[in-house]
Order: sequence, then C-alpha cells, then structure tokens
Amino acid sequence: KNEVEQSPQNLTAQEGEFITINCSYSVGISALHWLQQHPGGGIVSLFMLSSGKKKHGRLIATINIQEKHSSLHITASHPRDSAVYICAVHAGGTSYGKLTFGQGTILTVHP
Amino acid sequence: GAVVSQHPSWVICKSGTSVKIECRSLDFQATTMFWYRQFPKQSLMLMATSNEGSKATYEQGVEKDKFLINHASLTLSTLTVTSAHPEDSSFYICSARRGAGSYNEQFFGPGTRLTVL
Repeated sequence: KNEVEQSPQNLTAQEGEFITINCSYSVGISALHWLQQHPGGGIVSLFMLSSGKKKHGRLIATINIQEKHSSLHITASHPRDSAVYICAVHAGGTSYGKLTFGQGTILTVHP
Repeated sequence: GAVVSQHPSWVICKSGTSVKIECRSLDFQATTMFWYRQFPKQSLMLMATSNEGSKATYEQGVEKDKFLINHASLTLSTLTVTSAHPEDSSFYICSARRGAGSYNEQFFGPGTRLTVL
C-alpha cells in the first residue's frame, strides 16, 4: 500500500460541476502539497498546507491532520482545469524536505 | 511569485553522449534543489537532493556516476546525464525550496524531456 493514496484515479466532469479530489496518507506529516500538472508536463504548486483550509480563486484545499486526509475542491469547473492533480506530503521528521507523491488524479472537464 | 526555470525544455541526443540540464530559481535563492524523474503515466520519482556548496544526496538505486549533480550557486543546479542510453529517456523535473526550513514550499520547474536515440 502506498503511503499517499489519491482517489479517484480518473475523474470526468462537465463544465460547471463541483469537483472533489481526495488524498489519504498513512504517515505523520508536517505539510501537504497539492500540485497541478498539465499535459505539457510542467508542474504548478497550487497549495501547501499543514492545517485547516486554503482558498485561491475557484480552488479550495482542506486538510484534517487527525484523520490524515486532504481534499482539493474545484468550484465551477472549466475545461482549462483538465490536468493531473497530485498530492504530495512532507513526512514528519524528514530533514531534507523530501516529498512523497500520490499517483495523481487525471481530471478531464468537458465543455 | 517564485519562478523556477529549466533549460533545455527538450533535448534529443545520440546514445553515448552526455546531456546537461539546468535548473534556475529566477527570483529567490534556493539552498536546496531536488531532481525528479517521471516516466509516462507515473508519478514523480525523487532522484537526488542538491544542496548548494556540498555533494548531492542520491536516492537508493540512482547511480551517482551516471547522474552528476552540481549546485554551484544559490540559484543554479545542473544535472548531467552521462553516457546517455535509450533507457534514460524520460521527463526530468527540478524543484527549488525557498528558504532554509525543511518544510518550506517547493517550486517546480517546467521539466526537460530527454529522448536518447
């Protein structure tokens, strides 16, 4: 079993729908990243959070440290949101700041 | 915002040649940079951690003589794939950590696609 599990692995939505991507992890962490990777390959860091909730535009990320779970929500989804969304965690006690990655969720938003 | 660039964005080379990939933090100093490799439809795999002014720390299974890393300044790290072979063809991504704290945010470069013929 991977230390970081994302669900679903694939997600298809219609434009305008509310989307949720989940991330569960089995190790103690200090922080969690949500990353976005477009088909061209470049990765954008969307959020880094260690507690509570963060919001940026149509994106919302929440984390529950006790339950070892985080969610990424996209409101009013748009075709340009189509990408791979990756959850990555800083495991507690790691001195280098190494990240452990989930397998990614492929999101496709149809017009 | 924090920007990390990589050069080149793609490269095609012949088997046996060496290829250098640069990773630069454009608007911040990065004492630590990370090099990742990504195969198609797979997640990122950490290859090594590069610290300015010291030797890189390689992950288990990564050949340090094959993948040479140099972090000569606070804004530049290079990865040299020596004597490249077709199995080295992959997408290479770097990230740079802003600040000295282990859990400071990392910013990712756009990646370099290497194809070895």
